[in-house]
Parts: sequence; C-alpha cells; structure tokens
Amino acid sequence: DQQVKQNSPSLSVQEGRISILNCDYTNSMFDYFLWYKKYPAEGPTFLISISSIKDKNEDGRFTVFLNKSAKHLSLHIVPSQPGDSAVYFCASPTKGGATNKLIFGTGTLLAVQP
Amino acid sequence: DAGVTQSPTHLIKTRGQQVTLRCSPKSGHDTVSWYQQALGQGPQFIFQYYEEEERQRGNFPDRFSGHQFPNYSSELNVNALLLGDSALYLCASSRLDRVHGEAFFGQGTRLTVV
Repeated sequence: DQQVKQNSPSLSVQEGRISILNCDYTNSMFDYFLWYKKYPAEGPTFLISISSIKDKNEDGRFTVFLNKSAKHLSLHIVPSQPGDSAVYFCASPTKGGATNKLIFGTGTLLAVQP
Repeated sequence: DAGVTQSPTHLIKTRGQQVTLRCSPKSGHDTVSWYQQALGQGPQFIFQYYEEEERQRGNFPDRFSGHQFPNYSSELNVNALLLGDSALYLCASSRLDRVHGEAFFGQGTRLTVV
C-alpha cells in the first residue's frame, strides 16, 4: 500500500523556469509533510516542510503548497537552476513528528537544462 | 559538525553471508533510524533506536536486526543475505524531543549481494 505517491518519475525544465513537483497521499491522518532532495552518492537532505494547519510554506526559491481536501501537495522551485537537478522525495511521518517513521514517495528526478 | 557518518560506503557480500553496517549520528542527536532504498524506490523504514532500544519497526524480517550504543551510534545487521537485500542503506539521526525537527541522513552504504 503506497501511502505517499509521486506519479511523475522524471521532470525536465529549462533554467530560469518554474519546476512543479507533485505528491499525493492516501492517509488522512498524515498531518506533516517534508520534501527531501537527493544527489547521487549522497543521502537525502531536508528541503522544506509544511504542517497540515497551513496551506503554503515558502523558503527562498522553494514553496510547498498543501491541498488537504485533495490530499495533494506540490513543491514549486522558482527560478530553477542547474544545481537543482536531483531526485526529490516527499515524505510524511506516520505519527507525531518528523523524527518518527517516515513514509517516502518513490521520488521524481528533476533535470534542469542550462 | 561531522553530520551523520556511515561506514562502509560500499560493500559486496555473497548470498547467505552476514553483514554489519555502522552509523554515527549528528552531534546532539539521540535517535537513529535505518532505511533501505532499492533502485528506483523511495527509502523504506527498517527500524528506529532510542535509548539503546528498538522503538519502531517497519515491515522487515527478523534477519534485520540492530543495536544502539551508549554514545548513540548504531549498527544494522543483516543475516542470511539474499540477492534482494542489495540496496542503499541509509541511516538518519534526529532528536526525539524535536517533534517537527527534520531527520538528517548519512550518505548511505551501497550493499551488493552476489
């Protein structure tokens, strides 16, 4: 049972344009969501998070939107840069906070073309 | 701050053998979680250790076991290796009292079973 789904395995975007990465979840008990970025040969690094009491959280070029009724979240990167090329995972803790068991999506490979 | 360190970075084992992977958490962190990431998949939670005890466990067989030491470092042991155990094994550390603090990941150990 895939509780967190990322249906786009890959995305290609031109440098300077917007990248939109999508994530859907099925468990209505999820109340906190995180995005991680992963470069080859490195571990995932935390990017941005959002609590279910909010519908938007912004940090520099990165914004995460949460639509609870649709059980959908998206990560917007504006403007996209070649260094953003990586695999992006959305994740949610099964209960409590992010220090608990995280359920990850399968990831989206973002390629930003110069 | 050295962050989360894992050893070794790469490992090749024969089917049926046993393997031990090691993790040192980020300074100030008391909780260690282990994840398995198969090719093309998101990380899957194996288990979590806090105060030297297994606190949560994912859907992995008993061949997977772990340990946490008084200095918070941790080991993951896998017995009777199968070809399907080939994956990237990630260690993540966090502070249990930081409910919405993110988990920090190491670079992983790439295990190949032949």
